Amino acid sequence: ILNVEQSPQSLHVQEGDSTNFTCSFPSSNFYALHWYRWETAKSPEALFVMTLNGDEKKKGRISATLNTKEGYSYLYIKGSQPEDSATYLCAFNPNRPGNMLTFGGGTRLMVKP
Amino acid sequence: DAGITQSPRHKVTETGTPVTLRCHQTENHRYMYWYRQDPGHGLRLIHYSYGVKDTDKGEVSDGYSVSRSKTEDFLLTLESATSSQTSVYFCASGQQGGALNEQFFGPGTRLTVL
Repeated sequence: ILNVEQSPQSLHVQEGDSTNFTCSFPSSNFYALHWYRWETAKSPEALFVMTLNGDEKKKGRISATLNTKEGYSYLYIKGSQPEDSATYLCAFNPNRPGNMLTFGGGTRLMVKP
Repeated sequence: DAGITQSPRHKVTETGTPVTLRCHQTENHRYMYWYRQDPGHGLRLIHYSYGVKDTDKGEVSDGYSVSRSKTEDFLLTLESATSSQTSVYFCASGQQGGALNEQFFGPGTRLTVL
């Protein structure tokens, strides 16, 4: 069983605050790291797939960085808005057949207006 | 959006009864997955399929079986449901292999075992 940890488990911020959270994963046998956004009562939706050490991805106010050597990824949200409220999941994709993802427990973000 | 549907969306059943959940995708994806979602655990893989009639176990496969007789359908069966199997079940599908294998998720099935 692969150990994929996310911190914090939950986060409450005010509208306009910038925030970040962490995903840690095994540093060996790395293939890809996925970030998903999961709104309440909906299905998880892919945000980013990151494959290279030092990768940085950006989509609007959300960005992510990747360090495969030390086994962590950060997700940043600049100027949080209430519509950013969701659970953010990371998933580790090891280099093995089946493309199975091991998900972290998620960070639940709540943005207060 | 990938066309992935799950049925039923909600089910209440009694301990010891068999239950089958269905996942249907219209994207011709090779890979399909069943996850369960429990508080504090995120999503945990139950079983996955890498082609018709090709399936393998995931992290939490005990008490579950799967079948894939057609590309578009992936069935999850609880042979004899237990209360510990009360959960929300998500199906996902993905393209053929590669690091960019984004998984597309269905809407989920909420199962309650009394």
